Amino acid sequence: GENVEQHPSTLSVQEGDSAVIKCTYSDSASNYFPWYKQELGKRPQLIIDIRSNVGEKKDQRIAVTLNKTAKHFSLHITETQPEDSAVYFCAAIKRPGNQFYFGTGTSLTVIP
Amino acid sequence: DAGVTQSPTHLIKTRGQQVTLRCSPKSGHDTVSWYQQALGQGPQFIFQYYEEEERQRGNFPDRFSGHQFPNYSSELNVNALLLGDSALYLCASSPRGAGWDTEAFFGQGTRLTVV
Repeated sequence: GENVEQHPSTLSVQEGDSAVIKCTYSDSASNYFPWYKQELGKRPQLIIDIRSNVGEKKDQRIAVTLNKTAKHFSLHITETQPEDSAVYFCAAIKRPGNQFYFGTGTSLTVIP
Repeated sequence: DAGVTQSPTHLIKTRGQQVTLRCSPKSGHDTVSWYQQALGQGPQFIFQYYEEEERQRGNFPDRFSGHQFPNYSSELNVNALLLGDSALYLCASSPRGAGWDTEAFFGQGTRLTVV
């Protein structure tokens, strides 16, 4: 099956700086890559996603890049704010289908 | 629309006991997936149900079983609880025909503690 690795496990940045979280996957058939944000005690929520036929997608301060050849994708958060502090999970899925393979998570702390 | 709802929110059980967790999917969703999230880890896929049958299963022992009802709600049962079963159990729902950009919605989870 699919194996998703995520780095770093913890990340601290100053408010206003950028944060980058990286994931690699093993199954070249995976074709959909969402990112979830999980605040303490809350459910994971989708923040951005990317299909395998797209190299980059941006939504305001959040962007995701995908390198299919190298089988890795990254989350970029610019102009970080304290409310960005949370655990972020990447995932890989073979669409159509609903089995999500999650990374181990990155705990992001934005220092005011 | 209440989204995905799970019950109970917290549960304490003794080793060796059995537990049942419940999930009601988001309106319009007929596929339910269950995940185990240990502390500090990403969610691990347990199994997925649609049309009242288990369709896919992750690497979990037979002590973990489930059920889906005609109204698409689902139960997760764990028998002979072990201390290592302590985790947050998440339910996610999505439409059966999950095409591109179909978002899976997560419930808030059930925190199970085995003592």
